[in-house]
Amino acid sequence: GESVGLHLPTLSVQEGDNSIINCAYSNSASDYFIWYKQESGKGPQFIIDIRSNMDKRQGQRVTVLLNKTVKHLSLQIAATQPGDSAVYFCAENKWGGSQGNLIFGKGTKLSVKP
Amino acid sequence: DAGVIQSPRHEVTEMGQEVTLRCKPISGHNSLFWYRQTMMRGLELLIYFNNNVPIDDSGMPEDRFSAKMPNASFSTLKIQPSEPRDSAVYFCASSLSGGGYTFGSGTRLTVV
Repeated sequence: GESVGLHLPTLSVQEGDNSIINCAYSNSASDYFIWYKQESGKGPQFIIDIRSNMDKRQGQRVTVLLNKTVKHLSLQIAATQPGDSAVYFCAENKWGGSQGNLIFGKGTKLSVKP
Repeated sequence: DAGVIQSPRHEVTEMGQEVTLRCKPISGHNSLFWYRQTMMRGLELLIYFNNNVPIDDSGMPEDRFSAKMPNASFSTLKIQPSEPRDSAVYFCASSLSGGGYTFGSGTRLTVV
């Protein structure tokens, strides 16, 4: 029979457009945030991180924005490509915490239309 | 560095059998994590080690699951006896305390 799975939010974009993936985090004490990309059949892969003393950080085609007031994190991907199709997870932690225990969000599926 | 290495990549076993999953973390990393990923629950932390010592195993489903880290370069996750509901992808990840995790490619376990 059909299994009921985790319903992931899905974002569908046209190739070449910009993508914005959003994440609400839970712990106001968290001060370190990471975005991961997981392609089908692979493990999550680090994309970019940001510490709470910053509100914006840029990488290659990706930008992470942090709004601590509303506990919101976003990942912007410029000129989205078919290879960007994947599930994207945000994760939060307390930087340097002895436990090093990241808390992962549920994920957003990005689908890029050629 | 070859990254986090997991074996086997795929495992199919019969209910009741013992299953052992293996992980080699990145050299120099001092934290190691075992995660389980299913469609129903997403990514779940099972257990993590810091400097080879288990710190938090509250995510281990039940006594059928056990994990060891005999040295800084090797860890195992064992399920005995296995059940169909254990079918999932099991990921190992390692990190240097306070940093981001590097994940392995996972072991897809199917228990029939």
